[in-house]
Order: sequence, then structure tokens, then C-alpha cells
Amino acid sequence: ETGVTQTPRHLVMGMTNKKSLKCEQHLGHNAMYWYKQSAKKPLELMFVYSLEERVENNSVPSRFSPECPNSSHLFLHLHTLQPEDSALYLCASSQVSAGYSPLHFGNGTRLTVT
Amino acid sequence: AQTVTQSQPEMSVQEAETVTLSCTYDTSESDYYLFWYKQPPSRQMILVIRQEAYKQQNATENRFSVNFQKAAKSFSLKISDSQLGDAAMYFCAYRRSGSARQLTFGSGTQLTVLP
Repeated sequence: ETGVTQTPRHLVMGMTNKKSLKCEQHLGHNAMYWYKQSAKKPLELMFVYSLEERVENNSVPSRFSPECPNSSHLFLHLHTLQPEDSALYLCASSQVSAGYSPLHFGNGTRLTVT
Repeated sequence: AQTVTQSQPEMSVQEAETVTLSCTYDTSESDYYLFWYKQPPSRQMILVIRQEAYKQQNATENRFSVNFQKAAKSFSLKISDSQLGDAAMYFCAYRRSGSARQLTFGSGTQLTVLP
């Protein structure tokens, strides 16, 4: 039990498909994140939902659409993706408070766009 | 903008030996946190150690310790008595104090442990 569960573990989709990635955290945290991890690159923050506020990286294309229905669940809706979107997508959660709070990550979804 | 640099894409160490992974960062902030994360083949990012910038004492967690040089903006990770299970990708990360979102990662160092 990692505390942060991501499904599916692997996903192969065509450029015209629509799919969704799911993340669930069981840690009682109040912030959730989507990161993109490409080979030999630093992790790229895509979206943050913190205390019911959404923050996004302006460089993320609109073909990625996040949804956070409550503090425990986070989705990433995908449509009309490009081959360069193939990467590992990591979900994380943390507790936003006055002090620091490390991120707790899931095992990621390996996405391949064909 | 904050940047984190890991200049060693790959490192190797003999089992039971000691290895040091390098990390430098750039920031104009005075209050922040630094982290080392480990990503084994299971892909889950696991927190290894953390350091608050206002603390002069270097953090230690069992076989893992850091050398935090605030003036030089350097944050290296030392792994003592290396074990086969330490083999993983290691990421250095920076976070500004009070920020929920600005966790900046380096590009990682792949550590191989040789039996």
C-alpha cells in the first residue's frame, strides 16, 4: 500500500483516442499534483490542486485536462495526444500547512501514444 | 526562477562502499527546503532525506546523509555502506518555503551498485 494509487499502470493509446488517468490518495492530504517524467529530463509539474484551488503550468497543452472532484481523487483526461506526450505520468499528494510537507508519489502510469 | 542541477547522469559504487551524489541549485530565496528522492524500478518516488535551509546541521537518515553548503548552494547526498537495494535513480529537489506547488527537480542521477 503506497498511500497514493494510480491506474492504469500502463496505457497505450492512439492520437485520436480519449482516455483518463486516475489517482487516489489515502493519506488525508489536501493537495494533489500531476507530474510528467520524460527520459533524461527533470520532472515537469503539470497541475496542482491545493485547498480546492487549481494551479497549472501554462506550458501544458490543452489536450491535458485535470479534474479533482474531492481531496482524495485526481484525474487527468487525455485527448488528441501527440507521440511526444509519451512519458511516465506521476501523481503525488502532500499536506499543505505552515511547515514543509514532502510529496508522496504513486507508481505512475506509463503512457505510450502511437 | 529556481533551477536544480545534477551534473552526474550516472554513478556506480561497489557494494559496502560510499558514494556521493552532487546537486547544486539556484535561488534568491533565503527560506526553502531541499530533498533527495529515490526512484527504483518500481517507479515510485520515495523520499530519502530532507533539509531545511535554516538549519545548519546536516540531515542524516541511517546510511544517508547530506552535505548542505548554503552559501555555495550545494546539497550533496552521501550513501554509506551501499547496498544492492540502493540502486535507483536519485533526484534532488528544491521547494520554496510556504509553497504548495514549486517543487523543482533536477534531471536525476542513475546509481548502479556493483556486487
